[in-house]
Amino acid sequence: QSVLTQPPSVSGTPGQRVTISCSGGSSNIGSNTLNWYRQVPGTAPKLVIYNNNQRHSGVPDRFSASKSGTSASLAIRGLQSEDEAEYYCASWDDGPKEYVFGTGTKVTVL
Amino acid sequence: EVQLVESGGGLVQPGGSLRLSCVVSGFNFDSHSMNWVRQAPGKGLEWISYFSRNDISRYYAASVRGRCTISRDNAKNTLYLEIHSLRPEDTAVYYCARDYLGIGVPATLDYWGLGTPVTVSS
Repeated sequence: QSVLTQPPSVSGTPGQRVTISCSGGSSNIGSNTLNWYRQVPGTAPKLVIYNNNQRHSGVPDRFSASKSGTSASLAIRGLQSEDEAEYYCASWDDGPKEYVFGTGTKVTVL
Repeated sequence: EVQLVESGGGLVQPGGSLRLSCVVSGFNFDSHSMNWVRQAPGKGLEWISYFSRNDISRYYAASVRGRCTISRDNAKNTLYLEIHSLRPEDTAVYYCARDYLGIGVPATLDYWGLGTPVTVSS
């Protein structure tokens, strides 16, 4: 059971803005950088956001992220069909000394 | 082009062992820390091990600690993961992933391989 909690799913129509939340604690999000990954079923994960709010190479500026205290969020504006995927937040956890992934959020474009 | 190619997966009986390999190309392997991450069928991502670029630190998830050994051969551009006493719950696709920042603990997994499947069953 992950220590980083995400909503199981979010959905939106093309062009809409959706946000995914990631809730953790003082030993992970509260004291370490937060990253976001996306995974299309059957394929390998890919980095989307690193260091809390930096877009990885090739990621469109429709993706943005923020972190505050022990929570973080990923926003996708101008939602497109190719944004459908599972999204995971992740951070190092000083407590158990493990890299922890969030529970994952499935983004569906209606 | 950065590439990571895992191999060594397959069908293993409970209690058995496996050695997974990850051959990398397109970057200076010895300049980067590396990770192993797995994903059980229909489940989320689970980080399992890290090896720092300077060989100072190695970390393991509690779920594999004591049964797993991560190692690397910089001359062969290869990362390894040995897993012993395999259990059905170790069934997963195993990915290797490069760490971008190299700060001494896993931070940013910026490039991933396609994964190698491991099935533990009798």
